[in-house]
Amino acid sequence: GAGVSQSPSNKVTEKGKDVELRCDPISGHTALYWYRQSLGQGLEFLIYFQGNSAPDKSGLPSDRFSAERTGGSVSTLTIQRTQQEDSAVYLCASSLAGTLETSQYFGPGTRLTVL
Amino acid sequence: EDKVVQSPLSLVVHEGDTVTLNCSYEVTNFRSLLWYKQEKKAPTFLFMLTSSGIEKKSGRLSSILDKKELFSILNITATQTGDSAVYLCAGAGSYQLTFGKGTKLSVIP
Repeated sequence: GAGVSQSPSNKVTEKGKDVELRCDPISGHTALYWYRQSLGQGLEFLIYFQGNSAPDKSGLPSDRFSAERTGGSVSTLTIQRTQQEDSAVYLCASSLAGTLETSQYFGPGTRLTVL
Repeated sequence: EDKVVQSPLSLVVHEGDTVTLNCSYEVTNFRSLLWYKQEKKAPTFLFMLTSSGIEKKSGRLSSILDKKELFSILNITATQTGDSAVYLCAGAGSYQLTFGKGTKLSVIP
């Protein structure tokens, strides 16, 4: 069916507010990944899910970041008490198999701007 | 700490030239090396390499991995303006992917 979708496509928020970013993976894809790309920087891996569980959460930048996935489908990335350094494009990807070594299909990203 | 270093950071070539992009890695529990092409926002997958010395090809693009020397190269022959993009490589460990900063390739007519 359709590719990976993310919402919102753009989000502007004030410092200190919480934000929630959503990712809808390709139907049937068991693995889901979150990345962050700051201006002029490479991709930063945040977390990945095999089904509903994340084997390793150590890539999350701080305890203000959390992610969950329910029903093996939609995932949300929540950033609490946003800071200006959180401004970036947040990319989500999914893949058919549940390991890191499979081709990932990326969504269009959410551009987060923290004022 | 895992590290992936790409070189050069940027490259400008003329259409028809052949280019080689480099990626060296230090990844704990290394499993595979992946290459992506990023034109706007979303990267698109190019190759996944797990075995040394076996070249993967897709059209004018090819890539090879050297697990002894911990590097990979991406070759693009007969470059076209549509090849202009940032090329990313990433090393896959047990539960993490570590990306390099990318090589920005500009192909001019």
